[in-house]
Amino acid sequence: DVKVTQSSRYLVKRTGEKVFLECVQDMDHENMFWYRQDPGLGLRLIYFSYDVKMKEKGDIPEGYSVSREKKERFSLILESASTNQTSMYLCASGDPYEQYFGPGTRLTVT
Amino acid sequence: KNEVEQSPQNLTAQEGEFITINCSYSVGISALHWLQQHPGGGIVSLFMLSSGKKKHGRLIATINIQEKHSSLHITASHPRDSAVYICAVTSLTGNQFYFGTGTSLTVIP
Repeated sequence: DVKVTQSSRYLVKRTGEKVFLECVQDMDHENMFWYRQDPGLGLRLIYFSYDVKMKEKGDIPEGYSVSREKKERFSLILESASTNQTSMYLCASGDPYEQYFGPGTRLTVT
Repeated sequence: KNEVEQSPQNLTAQEGEFITINCSYSVGISALHWLQQHPGGGIVSLFMLSSGKKKHGRLIATINIQEKHSSLHITASHPRDSAVYICAVTSLTGNQFYFGTGTSLTVIP
């Protein structure tokens, strides 16, 4: 079974803090994705990566950056957290055509 | 403009009822997915289909490629079916995914 894990289920941070969200997959997938999910808006793609050290902007990359130093790990970074980044963050990995999701991190920025 | 539209947004049903959730899409696809998300966040894949119909237990998914429409049916609904159901499609190239905003289902005992 594919396993995608995220570093935290719940996180509370203060405005201006630097936040790291980590995602690890164990299926040797080349593709990894970060989404945020907000009520009424569904899943929106922040960044994705097709290979180590490779990243591509998704639909809403502003305020975020990513890092992929190893194939199994994809990190999402909020350089200076703001209250409008309070959301559910979901990581996914996949082969072409299908994605497997992690359990999500509910981030609250106060 | 959303590439994937779902209806209804919210649905409340009595236990035992037959439930249908609809999904329409506007892009060319290689596959359509039905996902389930329980409170707490984790998303699991229920079905991936590119034609016809699939059945798993009390869940049935159908797709009409010509009409760009899919339905998810739940027979004999149960309170444990309460969740958000998300329709998603994979692009023809296989490297883009588009998601509907989800249907929140509550099944009352």
